[in-house]
Amino acid sequence: DVVMTQSPLSLPVTLGQPASISCRSSQSLAHSDGNTYLNWFQQRPGQSPRRLIYKVSNRDSGVPDRFSGSGSGTDFTLKISRVEAEDVGVYYCMQGTHWPRTFGQGTKVEIK
Amino acid sequence: QVQLQESGPGLVKPSETLSLTCSVSGYSIRSAYYWGWIRQPPGKGLEWIGCISGSGITYYNPSLKSRVTISVDTSKNQFSLKLSSVTAADTAVYYCARDSANPDYWGQGTLVTVSS
Repeated sequence: DVVMTQSPLSLPVTLGQPASISCRSSQSLAHSDGNTYLNWFQQRPGQSPRRLIYKVSNRDSGVPDRFSGSGSGTDFTLKISRVEAEDVGVYYCMQGTHWPRTFGQGTKVEIK
Repeated sequence: QVQLQESGPGLVKPSETLSLTCSVSGYSIRSAYYWGWIRQPPGKGLEWIGCISGSGITYYNPSLKSRVTISVDTSKNQFSLKLSSVTAADTAVYYCARDSANPDYWGQGTLVTVSS
């Protein structure tokens, strides 16, 4: 299985300041079809996961542009340019290139 | 608007079989995509269980493969999960979702507790 490793696992941030989460995979996520299937999800307390970013850097409809994704191969990053109170929750990366699909451990974002 | 809704018993006895159904509206299962199940034990992270295409092709997580069966009923626009020989470790919120590579639409999740 492809192991997805996120860091940090806990991220206290100040409102209005930037935040960054790293996700590293144990194998390249580049697919033979030319795509890289790396997703980022946000899970607020008591809610289902919500996809924010797909295929590394594509932002979902309705997702604020303060969220951005980047990376390639085995190294990926989710950035929040200016954290707002509504961004509190747990963030997961997930790879959809290899079987079985696998998730990172999650990064808990909280306000200082 | 695509919507998914999980249904099934919230309590299952140890050694019995957990059975859940995901009803899909706003999109025909047979059109495209794989349709999958993901679970989340209380206070823990997400685990991918498996998925099925509209034509019945399945992929399972090897860690659960011996106990999992996913099936599809295109006439009802539903797909189902069966997990046999459950233990307390299978207690989790179970989610269904569209698209195994880039899950976009998710159900609200249903908590299944394994207890006698």
